[in-house]
Amino acid sequence: GAVVSQHPSWVICKSGTSVKIECRSLDFQATTMFWYRQFPKQSLMLMATSNEGSKATYEQGVEKDKFLINHASLTLSTLTVTSAHPEDSSFYICSARIGQGAAEAFFGQGTRLTVV
Amino acid sequence: RKEVEQDPGPFNVPEGATVAFNCTYSNSASQSFFWYRQDCRKEPKLLMSVYSSGNEDGRFTAQLNRASQYISLLIRDSKLSDSATYLCVGSGGSYIPTFGRGTSLIVHP
Repeated sequence: GAVVSQHPSWVICKSGTSVKIECRSLDFQATTMFWYRQFPKQSLMLMATSNEGSKATYEQGVEKDKFLINHASLTLSTLTVTSAHPEDSSFYICSARIGQGAAEAFFGQGTRLTVV
Repeated sequence: RKEVEQDPGPFNVPEGATVAFNCTYSNSASQSFFWYRQDCRKEPKLLMSVYSSGNEDGRFTAQLNRASQYISLLIRDSKLSDSATYLCVGSGGSYIPTFGRGTSLIVHP
């Protein structure tokens, strides 16, 4: 399957600081990437859909000014958690789909964020 | 109502058992379905796609029932290594992958 690389795999930061997570498609071009958040024993919740060269589409309840998404190229999308708080501590996962339409998604390794 | 719903389990079965999971979806326009496997603290990995005609891969069989809007996953001859959470995924609107909560499977000796 296609390879999606996410970095860092884990990060601990202080409250009030910002954290940037990178998601790269290594062997294919991804016009669309998805960012999910997963709390313990919960399902993956879609945060936003990231489109190359345009603004991300955020799901209801997700603050776009807090979770900044940039999809500057066909192989890179970034999620920046600004002014992080302990309640932002979670597992963040990106995924990318090859092409448009119905197709399986491939996932990055995930980033475990802990805000202290 | 969530778009994709699964029984969270856990399903606790002995090695060698056959176990089946169902997943219901509410969006009748959903076009594609998949089963993913997620191990603790890891990212989901694609297990198999679900086709209208059914799909079999070794010990795993996936079925789609569009009339009743559910998909199923059957695991035969369970192995200890099958212990994981199995996520049902529908394409949702605009082909955005929408996940169920996941079904936890525990295979014991």
